[in-house]
Amino acid sequence: GENVEQHPSTLSVQEGDSAVIKCTYSDSASNYFPWYKQELGKRPQLIIDIRSNVGEKKDQRIAVTLNKTAKHFSLHITETQPEDSAVYFCAPQAGTALIFGKGTTLSVSS
Amino acid sequence: DTGVSQNPRHKITKRGQNVTFRCDPISEHNRLYWYRQTLGQGPEFLTYFQNEAQLEKSRLLSDRFSAERPKGSFSTLEIQRTEQGDSAMYLCASSSDRGQYEQYFGPGTRLTVT
Repeated sequence: GENVEQHPSTLSVQEGDSAVIKCTYSDSASNYFPWYKQELGKRPQLIIDIRSNVGEKKDQRIAVTLNKTAKHFSLHITETQPEDSAVYFCAPQAGTALIFGKGTTLSVSS
Repeated sequence: DTGVSQNPRHKITKRGQNVTFRCDPISEHNRLYWYRQTLGQGPEFLTYFQNEAQLEKSRLLSDRFSAERPKGSFSTLEIQRTEQGDSAMYLCASSSDRGQYEQYFGPGTRLTVT
C-alpha cells in the first residue's frame, strides 16, 4: 500500500517568513495530491491540490509543487500569518482513498 | 462551511455498547467516505460508497463495524460491542464523480469509550 511521509513534523517561523513542507509517497499510481489544513478541534480543510499532469499550482500565498519522478510534492506558504498556525496534512490519492501523512504542526509567531 | 454534516458531534459510551453515527454529504455528491482520526495522527480511510454501493473497505474496518448508505444520500456507521481502542474522531467526507477529486470533510463525531 501507499507509504506517505511528511517532513518536518514541526515547523516554527516568524510572521512574514516562508514555510515549506515536503511529502514523499511510494505509490507511482497516485494521481491526485491535496494538502489539508486542520486547526485544533476542527475538520480537515482542503487548501490546495494538484493533479499529476501539472508541476506547480499557486493560489495567493499558497503553492504546491509536484515531482512525480521523485515521488514528492511540497506545500509552500509565503508571508506567513499567525492564522496559518495549524496542522497540515498531505494526502496523496491512490485509487479512491486519500492516504494521509502524519501531519506537520506549523507555528507562526508574531 | 463545506456542507457535510455529522451527528452526533460527541458520543460517550461504555465499553460493550453499540453506537451509530450519521453523515449527510453535500447534496450533489454521490461519493461518500468514512475516515478515523486518532490524536496526533492523520485520518485513516475506513470505507467508501458510490451512491448506495459500498465499493471499498479498509482492513481497519473490523467485523464490529458496519456502514450503510441505503438511498445513496446520508450514511450511517455503526460500531458494535465498542472497545476502548475505538475511541477516536470519525470523519465523513464527500466528493463528486464528475471528474473532480476533491473530498470535503464534515466536522466529525468524537467517540469516547469508557
